[in-house]
Amino acid sequence: DAMVIQNPRYQVTQFGKPVTLSCSQTLNHNVMYWYQQKSSQAPKLLFHYYDKDFNNEADTPDNFQSRRPNTSFCFLDIRSPGLGDAAMYLCATSRDWDGLGEQYFGPGTRLTVT
Amino acid sequence: GDSVTQMEGPVTLSEEAFLTINCTYTATGYPSLFWYVQYPGEGLQLLLKATKADDKGSNKGFEATYRKETTSFHLEKGSVQVSDSAVYFCALSDRSSASKIIFGSGTRLSIRP
Repeated sequence: DAMVIQNPRYQVTQFGKPVTLSCSQTLNHNVMYWYQQKSSQAPKLLFHYYDKDFNNEADTPDNFQSRRPNTSFCFLDIRSPGLGDAAMYLCATSRDWDGLGEQYFGPGTRLTVT
Repeated sequence: GDSVTQMEGPVTLSEEAFLTINCTYTATGYPSLFWYVQYPGEGLQLLLKATKADDKGSNKGFEATYRKETTSFHLEKGSVQVSDSAVYFCALSDRSSASKIIFGSGTRLSIRP
């Protein structure tokens, strides 16, 4: 009964080669988030969707893009991965936009850049 | 802006020891407070939450009380187990941050058998 699913769990890509990470949810939540987490650090929010409305964090590099084709799926595209983009990427959802509810996280995709 | 400060790690304890991980926050509004746990190689899981002052969140033997007067939300457990070894994140969310979570820096906890 997995609720937030991320594929793949481990992804290896080459320097500069585009890569896409995927996230799906069975919770029917309105909000979906993408975080980047580097070793021993707190997750860093990259962007989020409220339904189809996209919200980019001010310091998210242009190299990172996202798509949400429907309620259930959200994708993270890294157009030209650099060595500094190696990290765990976490997808999360929340029911609504009220600041009172918790977020539900997927297991993450660990990205390696060679 | 809103922020969360939590106890630096790593914290190493023996099994059955008492655990406290300190967390304090700064917020302009009335935030909800959370503790998330991250086991090795996994995503974050909500451990417990409290949405208003004096609320106590509890789960799996862990407890934390929302103290508005001291702006704190310390995590406690009376008797830790090896399986509690993980990274613990204190966090807040309020209406002014539009459902974004503000995380503390995380505290790595290791429990010795």
